[in-house]
Amino acid sequence: QSALTQPASVSGSPGQSITISCTGTSSDVGGYNYVAWYQQHPGKAPKLMIYEVSNRPSGVSNRFSGSKSGNTASLTISGLQAEDEADYYCSSYTSSSTWVFGGGTKLTVL
Amino acid sequence: EVQLVESGGGLVQPGGSLRLSCAASGFTFSSHWMHWVRQVPGKGLVWVSRINSDGSSSSYADSVKGRFTISRDNAKNTLYLQMNSLRAEDTAVYCCVVSGNFRFDYWGQGTLVTVSS
Repeated sequence: QSALTQPASVSGSPGQSITISCTGTSSDVGGYNYVAWYQQHPGKAPKLMIYEVSNRPSGVSNRFSGSKSGNTASLTISGLQAEDEADYYCSSYTSSSTWVFGGGTKLTVL
Repeated sequence: EVQLVESGGGLVQPGGSLRLSCAASGFTFSSHWMHWVRQVPGKGLVWVSRINSDGSSSSYADSVKGRFTISRDNAKNTLYLQMNSLRAEDTAVYCCVVSGNFRFDYWGQGTLVTVSS
């Protein structure tokens, strides 16, 4: 049950696009379309942003999009805004009937 | 509005036990799988355990297997986590989470567990 691999930090200027990667194995990310992404602001509970690789819950901006290729999933945020600055976590269901998170990525909006 | 309110955290010595509770409201508790996820302040999220909607099935992270037990009381809309043989590395904020289809839909604010002598 090793954590999924995410970059520790990414940054971008307002209006730009950024992509956060999430790398696992064929037993988790690569084996199931149950990858989700969560946004967490300091002191707040995580918020679901993307589920089943590329689906957005109601109320989440269409600036957020997800994709997957092989064992790597990605979250793309377009038109960066100041309020997007937060920590982002990916998660995946696994072949052991458990779940695993990524280590988290701190997004800084310059 | 979905509300999840955890309680039962606190300071416990290594080897000790605690029972966490999560009071749920604003949704049909008995229809949803539930999870516990923990987070060391300033660190990442770690999945701990899940239970299915009627309580007949559960799974655990390797790090807590054999020490923690998840359960639920659908009549009381409450989720539990019995934690035994606690270790320093179990120190974290423990959050209960409502599960949709293999995703974590709503999160509580969590209760802090500190394992220290």
